[in-house]
Amino acid sequence: SQQGEEDPQALSIQEGENATMNCSYKTSINNLQWYRQNSGRGLVHLILIRSNEREKHSGRLRVTLDTSKKSSSLLITASRAADTASYFCATDGGATNKLIFGTGTLLAVQP
Amino acid sequence: DSGVTQTPKHLITATGQRVTLRCSPRSGDLSVYWYQQSLDQGLQFLIQYYNGEERAKGNILERFSAQQFPDLHSELNLSSLELGDSALYFCASSSQGAAYNSPLHFGNGTRLTVT
Repeated sequence: SQQGEEDPQALSIQEGENATMNCSYKTSINNLQWYRQNSGRGLVHLILIRSNEREKHSGRLRVTLDTSKKSSSLLITASRAADTASYFCATDGGATNKLIFGTGTLLAVQP
Repeated sequence: DSGVTQTPKHLITATGQRVTLRCSPRSGDLSVYWYQQSLDQGLQFLIQYYNGEERAKGNILERFSAQQFPDLHSELNLSSLELGDSALYFCASSSQGAAYNSPLHFGNGTRLTVT
């Protein structure tokens, strides 16, 4: 079962533009993580945001978390062709030790 | 390179057969996680081991089993294989016992094709 749902399912933008992906989840959480997956490869951890944090930055990445709306967003600024990948949010569901991944957003950055 | 090694990379087998997937975690990591990724089910958590003990269980079928050995490598055994078991199987590792507290480091997966 998915804990998180990403929106949109697919996103196509031009190089240099910003890309925003959203994640909604169902239950309370301890932390929320974002991962990237290049086609057919393993997932790569991008950022972890704790439930008491509202915003976090890492390079060109900006993640926000709104626990009252049970949602998070990932912003990639000044996108590059190399950012083309699927992006997943992952949450723990609060009381469990499981890290459950959402359905993912497929981002295509056109050169 | 995540430091997590999975073998084999590809596996083609027939229905009804049994296979074993192997995972070596990143040096120093005590937790190993197994995930199944398919087009229709997405990324599904199967099971987690921490320092040799089962820590959490997800949507793992009874036909599947796993274990973590004293040297911390892990094996996922899939038996009585069905066509629907065709998927990418990922292993991930982390330093902590709680999955939400630290990043997971993923291997590049084993692509299983059941014919």
